[in-house]
Amino acid sequence: AQTVTQSQPEMSVQEAETVTLSCTYDTSESDYYLFWYKQPPSRQMILVIRQEAYKQQNATENRFSVNFQKAAKSFSLKISDSQLGDAAMYFCAYRSANYGGSQGNLIFGKGTKLSVKP
Amino acid sequence: EAGVTQFPSHSVIEKGQTVTLRCDPISGHDNLYWYRRVMGKEIKFLLHFVKESKQDESGMPNNRFLAERTGGTYSTLKVQPAELEDSGVYFCASSLLGGDRETQYFGPGTRLLVL
Repeated sequence: AQTVTQSQPEMSVQEAETVTLSCTYDTSESDYYLFWYKQPPSRQMILVIRQEAYKQQNATENRFSVNFQKAAKSFSLKISDSQLGDAAMYFCAYRSANYGGSQGNLIFGKGTKLSVKP
Repeated sequence: EAGVTQFPSHSVIEKGQTVTLRCDPISGHDNLYWYRRVMGKEIKFLLHFVKESKQDESGMPNNRFLAERTGGTYSTLKVQPAELEDSGVYFCASSLLGGDRETQYFGPGTRLLVL
């Protein structure tokens, strides 16, 4: 069974600085998707960034980028120029690319709570 | 375009009572998922609908939980009778069938507290 591990329960960053959130996963599959979701306090969980395992190029979305190391099964999220609005719980998630049955669901890590200091 | 909505946002009930949670997916999304996050633990998958059919309910904890999706539109998740360990946040997510089906869009969640 696949597992996702986020080893940092809490992180803190100074506004305008850069922070990296860690995520590792375990799978025997070769094709899958990885996601970072963000849940601000009392607000909806939204997708931050998505990575297809077959793509070697790391995904980027504005100030958010990932460092995807397939061999190491590592998928870290880098937030550049941190803003106060980045404060949230961040969840790393895995999804098999073999659509159908139980493989359609997301497998989540426990989350990392990010605080941004002004 | 409206996002995924869930009702109620909060529910406080006593052990042994019944609670029904509702999820309205994004219009046109045939995939609908239920997840749950118990305090301090991971978000866990409960079940997956494709249209009105249950594709996978392997995550349902026990037979006190019943999910339905009427006509392939909104879904309900009923807990009867509720137990203390059912407390947590229940999330609903939806996605397209085909196309950008890899991305699931989440609702705000229902916070359930069983006393």
